[in-house]
Amino acid sequence: GQNIDQPTEMTATEGAIVQINCTYQTSGFNGLFWYQQHAGEAPTFLSYNVLDGLEEKGRFSSFLSRSKGYSYLLLKELQMKDSASYLCAVVDSNYQLIWGAGTKLIIKP
Amino acid sequence: TAGITQAPTSQILAAGRSMTLRCTQDMRHNAMYWYRQDLGLGLRLIHYSNTAGTTGKGEVPDGYSVSRANTDDFPLTLASAVPSQTSVYFCASSDSVGHEGYGYTFGSGTRLTVV
Repeated sequence: GQNIDQPTEMTATEGAIVQINCTYQTSGFNGLFWYQQHAGEAPTFLSYNVLDGLEEKGRFSSFLSRSKGYSYLLLKELQMKDSASYLCAVVDSNYQLIWGAGTKLIIKP
Repeated sequence: TAGITQAPTSQILAAGRSMTLRCTQDMRHNAMYWYRQDLGLGLRLIHYSNTAGTTGKGEVPDGYSVSRANTDDFPLTLASAVPSQTSVYFCASSDSVGHEGYGYTFGSGTRLTVV
């Protein structure tokens, strides 16, 4: 079967750095997305990786290793507004998105 | 503002009743999707449509039906609601089936409670 694994919850301190990991086993791979979802709201697009390596976008960076079935989202200079759930999703061989359950990130002052 | 509009925002529905969740997009995206999101589970695909006039079943299609008469609208119907269909429902769209890195645009969701 297809599976996406992420930690259920993480806690970090305002101003610090946090890394959210995602491992996947899917039938084929056509890219990996990270989405942010604030409580009670819709998911919003953060990043997309299809090649190995690090993609940096402001305070957020996303890394992919296809050989290891592994990605992480790195958030720097954490702000209180970064408290949200972070969803990892993989595009499989049929171009369907397979979603992880999400990681709830709690930021403390 | 361009995007996806879902209605209603929330609804309490008696078991056994039918209901249609509405979804309209104004971005002329070809592909549209219906997901349900339950606590502790990832988004699960109910039905999808790669283009107007076509639909397909996702991971959890039982008890739901969809239609795609035109590009903009993709309603989801529950023929006879059951309590296990209590969930938050998200409609989404993408410019192409292959996504090409742009991902999905999501509606704001419909919170449905079946009692």
